Amino acid sequence: KAGVTQTPRYLIKTRGQQVTLSCSPISGHRSVSWYQQTPGQGLQFLFEYFSETQRNKGNFPGRFSGRQFSNSRSEMNVSTLELGDSALYLCASSARTGGLNSYNEQFFGPGTRLTVL
Amino acid sequence: AQSVSQHNHHVILSEAASLELGCNYSYGGTVNLFWYVQYPGQHLQLLLKYFSGDPLVKGIKGFEAEFIKSKFSFNLRKPSVQWSDTAEYFCAVRLSNYQLIWGAGTKLIIKP
Repeated sequence: KAGVTQTPRYLIKTRGQQVTLSCSPISGHRSVSWYQQTPGQGLQFLFEYFSETQRNKGNFPGRFSGRQFSNSRSEMNVSTLELGDSALYLCASSARTGGLNSYNEQFFGPGTRLTVL
Repeated sequence: AQSVSQHNHHVILSEAASLELGCNYSYGGTVNLFWYVQYPGQHLQLLLKYFSGDPLVKGIKGFEAEFIKSKFSFNLRKPSVQWSDTAEYFCAVRLSNYQLIWGAGTKLIIKP
């Protein structure tokens, strides 16, 4: 099975621009989560989508948005980029979301490294 | 706000030394606990997880972790590390709303 793929792998933008990142989950996986990873901060949860519906959202401003398509592919959009948005953006997919005592392992992609100048 | 603390940001050990990485969380409800590892140049991958039952859980590559509920801790251990354990280790806590809260990570360097 192919793993989680993210495109593009690297991106350089300037302040004020907007960017769209793409994530293709493992075939059959319906849950996609997005994270922002910065040195010293670990992973900050952005949002999770399951069957085209946003199930959870982290504490990020409205400039960060996402969506999921019927084929489970997901996109994340950041508008009006700021210098502080420079980070590695990770996507993770899992087979399904279940009850608290069932966990479907999240499989991570390689990330998109965004640099805002 | 809920948080996960990993006390050591960098740890340097010699091969065969014992390892313990600390993880504490602040959340009073039911949690699931995880350790993930990211080897150089590779994706994040699950090392081990705790849901319920025996608080001592074993993961891949000889790692284990102990959940101490009274201390809100889930420390990672390995009796004898190898050079190939050089990686960044992340503790994560899954809350009752299924959201994963992550620690800042610990970079482990094993000297050969």
